Amino acid sequence: QSLLTQPPSASGTPGQRVTISCSGSNSNIGSNTVNWYQQVPGTAPKLLIYKDHQRLSGVPDRFSGSKSGTSASLAISGLQSEDEADYYCASWDDSLNGPTFGGGTKLTVL
Amino acid sequence: EVQLVESGGALVQPGGSLRLSCAAAGFSVANNYMSWVRQAPGKGLEWVSVIYYGGATYYTDSVKGRFIISRDTSKNTVYLQMDNLRAEDTAAYYCVRDLTASYDFDYWGQGTWVTVSS
Repeated sequence: QSLLTQPPSASGTPGQRVTISCSGSNSNIGSNTVNWYQQVPGTAPKLLIYKDHQRLSGVPDRFSGSKSGTSASLAISGLQSEDEADYYCASWDDSLNGPTFGGGTKLTVL
Repeated sequence: EVQLVESGGALVQPGGSLRLSCAAAGFSVANNYMSWVRQAPGKGLEWVSVIYYGGATYYTDSVKGRFIISRDTSKNTVYLQMDNLRAEDTAAYYCVRDLTASYDFDYWGQGTWVTVSS
């Protein structure tokens, strides 16, 4: 059972804007920063967003991160077929005393 | 160019041992937090262990007392010694570099598979 809760799936059509949520608690998102990773099946994950909303160099500005209270979100605008992947949120957890990942959201581009 | 190349994954019996290696290029492991993250088949990501640039090491609870992370700065390589392996340790193991010493992992290796089965 992940400490960070993500919807198992999300979908959108090309050009659409989709949002993936990540719900946590005061021991993780509520008091620590959030990172977002993209993993195309069969490949290693890639860091997209760090420290809640900082885009890693080279990541298209179609990807954006936000946080409010104990929840965070990853928004993808202008959805493209190559965005089809699994997306994971992650944050430090004070109770665990270590980083924790969400269960992942499989994004399908219809 | 930053590169991480893992090796050492294999099929091993329960109770056995393995040592994973992660050869780094393009930066110094001595100046970065380096972690291992694993992913069981069809499952999500799980942080396993970290070695800080000062040498301190930390582990997720499920591997404490069984896994040891270390590094050889002369070879610019990070290791994960895994003892008393269990079926639940079966996973792809990724070596990762920390971007800001905040467990934000900006570079990942290609992964090496560890299968624990009799």
